[in-house]
Amino acid sequence: DTAVSQTPKYLVTQMGNDKSIKCEQNLGHDTMYWYKQDSKKFLKIMFSYNNKELIINETVPNRFSPKSPDKAHLNLHINSLELGDSAVYFCASSREGHVNSKPTSGNTIYFGEGSWLTVV
Amino acid sequence: KNEVEQSPQNLTAQEGEFITINCSYSVGISALHWLQQHPGGGIVSLFMLSSGKKKHGRLIATINIQEKHSSLHITASHPRDSAVYICAVAIIQGAQKLVFGQGTRLTINP
Repeated sequence: DTAVSQTPKYLVTQMGNDKSIKCEQNLGHDTMYWYKQDSKKFLKIMFSYNNKELIINETVPNRFSPKSPDKAHLNLHINSLELGDSAVYFCASSREGHVNSKPTSGNTIYFGEGSWLTVV
Repeated sequence: KNEVEQSPQNLTAQEGEFITINCSYSVGISALHWLQQHPGGGIVSLFMLSSGKKKHGRLIATINIQEKHSSLHITASHPRDSAVYICAVAIIQGAQKLVFGQGTRLTINP
């Protein structure tokens, strides 16, 4: 079973559309994340949730709205898509609530396979 | 300047060679992660460490907190080690934030 799964894996859509990327983890983790990897392969955090509560919102435009119906799911909804939104979006999770705590096996971060978004 | 810098950005080597990838950071951290991203895009966590050294198979990761530097070594490299290796640090202030290096693209030729 895939630990962190995200769908769709590939998404091509037109400017102005609204789209969602779904993420689910079956690891029983408390914390989930969304990361964006740009065309230069640079990863940056967008959001993190701990037990359905928003912890980090890293200066992401309001067009991006994460939703966590329960601690196993963190979906990313994007309104009015722009060309610059084209990127790979990675969902991730970790067991303990703070990635920046002392390293224990619980703080290992598990990534989904990525969702390739292309806005045309 | 990024808070996390990796070197080299690209590295090509022959099978069997000893590989070293370096990571320097400029902020206070509680932990440092080494990640591997394969050509298919998936990202796997290799190590998380805050001091000393960790070893897993042919991979060794070291960190020097005083010098704000970490290295990832691969012994007896193999073409299947070809991937992008990413260093990420957990910032000591704030919550649950990883800051990533730009990655090192490693190609091992047979």
